[in-house]
Formats: sequence, C-alpha cells, structure tokens
Amino acid sequence: DAGVTQSPTHLIKTRGQQVTLRCSPKSGHDTVSWYQQALGQGPQFIFQYYEEEERQRGNFPDRFSGHQFPNYSSELNVNALLLGDSALYLCASSAVYNSPLHFGNGTRLTVT
Amino acid sequence: EDKVVQSPLSLVVHEGDTVTLNCSYEVTNFRSLLWYKQEKKAPTFLFMLTSSGIEKKSGRLSSILDKKELSSILNITATQTGDSAIYLCAGAGGSGTYKYIFGTGTRLKVLA
Repeated sequence: DAGVTQSPTHLIKTRGQQVTLRCSPKSGHDTVSWYQQALGQGPQFIFQYYEEEERQRGNFPDRFSGHQFPNYSSELNVNALLLGDSALYLCASSAVYNSPLHFGNGTRLTVT
Repeated sequence: EDKVVQSPLSLVVHEGDTVTLNCSYEVTNFRSLLWYKQEKKAPTFLFMLTSSGIEKKSGRLSSILDKKELSSILNITATQTGDSAIYLCAGAGGSGTYKYIFGTGTRLKVLA
C-alpha cells in the first residue's frame, strides 16, 4: 500500500523563478493538504484541497497556488520565489474529516 | 490567534531514561490533538487524542489529554537511541476548519 509520495525530493531555484511540487496521496485518501516547514519550525498550513477545490487556506500570499486532479493527486505552485521560501514542503493526505494526516517525505526547496 | 507551544525545545537523555514531553494549546473550537514523530523528513503519526483523561498507549509511548488545562503530555519509557527525533504536537480546530496547528517541536536525543 503506497503511502504519500512527493516529487522531486530536492530542488534548487533562483529568486524570481517559479516552482511546481507534486504529491500523490495515500491510497484511499481524497484530501490533500500542503505544509511549509522552515528550519527549526513546525509545519505551517498552506492550503487544503478536496474535490478539486481549495477548501481552506492559511496565511500565505497568492504566490502560492495549488491544484487537485480527478485522481486526487495535487500540485503546489510557487511564483516569484523569495529567499524566505526556502523550506521543506510537506504534502499530507487524509481520508475523512478529523482523521490523522499522513505525510510524504517532502520536497526540500532551496532558493538562492 | 490559535497556537500550540511545546516544551522543552530540546532534551538529551541516556538510554533507559523516561521522558515527558509537554504540549499546550490555544485552539478555537478545539476538537483533537495529535502527536507526530519526525526523524528525517516525513512526520509519522503517533496518537490522536480527543477525550480528556483517557490515556493512549503504543508500546513504550503513551499520551494523555487534559482539556481543562489545555495541554497534553507524551511519555516515553525505557528510551532507546531509535527514539531520537523531533516530536511534534498539533491541534485541530472545530467545524469549518481543516488545518492542523503545529508546535515547533521537541528535539529529543537519546545517548547510548
């Protein structure tokens, strides 16, 4: 039973560039959430997708956008990258409301 | 603003010791508290607590929620080097919100 998979594992980008991160949820899960984890911090909620719609958004600028596909997989897009966007981006999936999140291994994004 | 605070920030113990990690929360319409273990990248789920005073156990790990004190503890007995990790606590709010609010974590190092 495949867990949550994310790609790529590492990424190095230059300020001002754009990046797309990908996530496939755990089998049987239909909800995908994205979190940003800066060094030494806990994960911060970016947004959640359900039924191909953004259901809730955290305190992140519009440069952060996402998408969910009919097969429940999801993408996170970040435009106009800033140095402060350097972080581990975690995708988490869940099955029903108030169920634990299952995390992928994350994408380590470095912005230079 | 909702927040979750963990203490201590870091802890160094020797194998065989017992440790207690603390988590306090201020979450609007609180519904559940979760504990995760993060070793390299993906946080892995440990416990989900919704009722006050009911201890959950898994091997050497146990956790309990105190809704009156707005807090939870995670106990690890007979620690092993494999317990070395960051332990994250997360609070979930009430109906209409889907995000989990994470603390900054407790970094535990177990020495042989």
